[in-house]
Amino acid sequence: GQQVMQIPQYQHVQEGEDFTTYCNSSTTLSNIQWYKQRPGGHPVFLIQLVKSGEVKKQKRLTFQFGEAKKNSSLHITATQTTDVGTYFCATNAGKSTFGDGTTLTVKP
Amino acid sequence: EAGVTQSPTHLIKTRGQQATLRCSPISGHTSVYWYQQALGLGLQFLLWYDEGEERNRGNFPPRFSGRQFPNYSSELNVNALELEDSALYLCASSLHPGNTIYFGEGSWLTVV
Repeated sequence: GQQVMQIPQYQHVQEGEDFTTYCNSSTTLSNIQWYKQRPGGHPVFLIQLVKSGEVKKQKRLTFQFGEAKKNSSLHITATQTTDVGTYFCATNAGKSTFGDGTTLTVKP
Repeated sequence: EAGVTQSPTHLIKTRGQQATLRCSPISGHTSVYWYQQALGLGLQFLLWYDEGEERNRGNFPPRFSGRQFPNYSSELNVNALELEDSALYLCASSLHPGNTIYFGEGSWLTVV
């Protein structure tokens, strides 16, 4: 079945620095979703990408889907303390497979 | 519109007992997913139900089981509880298989 791998596992940044997490698959993905889970909370849907090469932006967050639809990235510009949490990528081919997540901590 | 709702919020059981967790999907959603998230770890896929049928299950022993009712709500049963079963159990739903999934707030299960 489809599997997605995320790197890095942890990222610690100074407030104001940029942050990027990567999601990779050995197989072509039909779609990719990104979720954010705050400490003590539940995963919250951020966005879905479907098209090859697709780029979507949400304020300081930029999401990309690779041309081959085998990888994706989430980039946060000028991180803030409110960005802390774990960011998961996922693909839903019925089973809904999640990456292990990247946990972001931000030092004020 | 109500999101995915789960009950109970917290549950404490002793080893060997059984636990039942419940989930109501977003109205109109036919697919329900269950995940286990141990403290500080990722999401481990447990079960996927759609239209009342179990469509897939993760790498968990048979004592983890569940069902989906005609109204698309679902319950997860964990028999013969072990200490390692202590975790956040998340339910999620999607309109149809392959659509975006949305999570409930989860049920915290503690086994003592």
